[in-house]
Amino acid sequence: QVQLHQSGPGLVKPSQTLSLTCAISGDSVSSKSAAWNWIRQSPSRGLEWLGRTYYRSKWYNDYAVSVKSRITINPDTSKNQFSLQLNSVTPEDTAVYYCAREGERGKELLRSFDYWGQGTLVTVSS
Amino acid sequence: DIQMTQSPSTLSASVGDRVTITCRASQSISSWLAWYQQKPGKAPKLLIYKASSLESGVPSRFSGSGSGTEFTLTISSLQPDDFASYYCQQYNSYSWTFGQGTKVEIK
Repeated sequence: QVQLHQSGPGLVKPSQTLSLTCAISGDSVSSKSAAWNWIRQSPSRGLEWLGRTYYRSKWYNDYAVSVKSRITINPDTSKNQFSLQLNSVTPEDTAVYYCAREGERGKELLRSFDYWGQGTLVTVSS
Repeated sequence: DIQMTQSPSTLSASVGDRVTITCRASQSISSWLAWYQQKPGKAPKLLIYKASSLESGVPSRFSGSGSGTEFTLTISSLQPDDFASYYCQQYNSYSWTFGQGTKVEIK
């Protein structure tokens, strides 16, 4: 059974960097049949996909256009986890942040998210 | 980005009712459409992927249909555990977007 467990601060000051980590159990961040995503949810923006990292003989990343200049998602194979860094945050970045897996069904990526972390409310405020 | 428009935004129904939620994409997404259920304070739960494939463990009263730009989630007989919010989600060209959600309330 795949489980994702998130950790990181719930309060970040404006202009600083938001950092969250997602620890994986029951699967591997280096799996060639999964991709590892960050998604956020706020009343004003709804559910918003932020980006992903995945391994297919080398590491790849895809990022949403809306955050592309400010986001980094990195895998950590030694700890079987992946992280989110979002720079130069403003109050608009206040949201519940989720990590999520895109798995496979029948040797094909789902293009949707089958396992989710518990969510972390991050508030951007001084 | 492709925009997803869900309707209705709120739906009042009774136990045993047949419920239908619609999601429209601003351009064709083939069958890359998923449906999620979310309860307050919890992460979304995958119900349907690739427009009509039922995720393992999800009750068969949930079904999905559609392709191209118009998609439907149907609950054949609403159960007490089904009162929640539902979201569609599309995939196209390395980008994912979600609908704004439909809240299913007790009538």
